[in-house]
Amino acid sequence: GAVVSQHPSRVICKSGTSVKIECRSLDFQATTMFWYRQFPKQSLMLMATSNEGSKATYEQGVEKDKFLINHASLTLSTLTVTSAHPEDSSFYICSAPRGGLENEQFFGPGTRLTVL
Amino acid sequence: AQSVTQLDSQVPVFEEAPVELRCNYSSSVSVYLFWYVQYPNQGLQLLLKYLSGSTLVESINGFEAEFNKSQTSFHLRKPSVHISDTAEYFCAVSGLGSYKLIFGSGTRLLVRP
Repeated sequence: GAVVSQHPSRVICKSGTSVKIECRSLDFQATTMFWYRQFPKQSLMLMATSNEGSKATYEQGVEKDKFLINHASLTLSTLTVTSAHPEDSSFYICSAPRGGLENEQFFGPGTRLTVL
Repeated sequence: AQSVTQLDSQVPVFEEAPVELRCNYSSSVSVYLFWYVQYPNQGLQLLLKYLSGSTLVESINGFEAEFNKSQTSFHLRKPSVHISDTAEYFCAVSGLGSYKLIFGSGTRLLVRP
């Protein structure tokens, strides 16, 4: 099956620093990827849609200057949490749809961000 | 716009007992429906999906779900659960032709020996 990876799987950083999270589709190309945020024991909230070759589309209430998204190639999207604060601590998950498999998305394993 | 409701935040059940996890959705257009499973500190795995055709869909590990349009439901069932089924289960919906998924709040299935 299709595989989506994320790196790093876990990161701890100090308040005020920036953190970059990578999402890669390993065996297929993805012109679109999605970034989700999941708080403990809660559901996934869609943050933004990452589009290869164009700007990301952010959901209402998500600060685009805080969460920078770059879809650098057909297999890579990055999410940068800028000037991270403790309230940004969360589980970040990406997903990528694979063409030809109606509406099926493949999820990365997630990145646990802890901001001290 | 679509929305998904999972009324049960946690469902405790004994091993080998049957279980049903409820999911109701709301949408003004036709939808696709999904169940995903999440094990601790992991991403989501697709369990099963309804796109069209037969309203009863099955997964390879014994789960099944039935799409009921009149009741706008997509409940997940398994006749006999295992300890290894302990996980968080998310129901999700997307509009036809859209990859954007809307998730329910999730149900934690806790299987006890």
